[in-house]
Amino acid sequence: NAGVTQTPKFRVLKTGQSMTLLCAQDMNHEYMYWYRQDPGMGLRLIHYSVGEGTTAKGEVPDGYNVSRLKKQNFLLGLESAAPSQTSVYFCASSYSPGGSSYEQYFGPGTRLTVT
Amino acid sequence: SQKIEQNSEALNIQEGKTATLTCNYTNYSPAYLQWYRQDPGRGPVFLLLIRENEKEKRKERLKVTFDTTLKQSLFHITASQPADSATYLCALGGYQKVTFGTGTKLQVIP
Repeated sequence: NAGVTQTPKFRVLKTGQSMTLLCAQDMNHEYMYWYRQDPGMGLRLIHYSVGEGTTAKGEVPDGYNVSRLKKQNFLLGLESAAPSQTSVYFCASSYSPGGSSYEQYFGPGTRLTVT
Repeated sequence: SQKIEQNSEALNIQEGKTATLTCNYTNYSPAYLQWYRQDPGRGPVFLLLIRENEKEKRKERLKVTFDTTLKQSLFHITASQPADSATYLCALGGYQKVTFGTGTKLQVIP
């Protein structure tokens, strides 16, 4: 199993450009999450999904959109990138149907710089 | 508002000693609490989960306690090794999402 994978690993954008980050998991997890991690701020939840076709806002959703068209994929979009969105982005997934375990499995991260 | 506090200062301990990390929280009644390890440049890795009705959980050299009255969790690493050096995050939550603390950096000195 590959676990949780993220594409790309690094990206540099100019202010105003758009991009999509892709997260994929092969563990049949119901829940998926997008976090950003900044120095001194810890992991902050951007958006999350509790099932295919459903999404919800997290703590810092402004400037981001998400889609979960397939159970195994969770996309994070930046429509018009801003320097404040320079960060490391982590995707995570959790919970298998019928299970009772809620630990999260994280991807390797995407380091995004907006100039 | 909900707040999770972990000691932001790095914790330095001698190899072989027990490391104890603290996670305090306010304005929160979590169903469970988790601890993760994060190495530089990598995503967090799950270590232990303890539920609100459990007092203590152990896994090899790791032990977690959860006191819902004090609103505190303690994370212990016994017989610490240099390979245990990392940042440790606590996370509190319900069943769909969790909130992470900022983490405590542990340095085990040989």
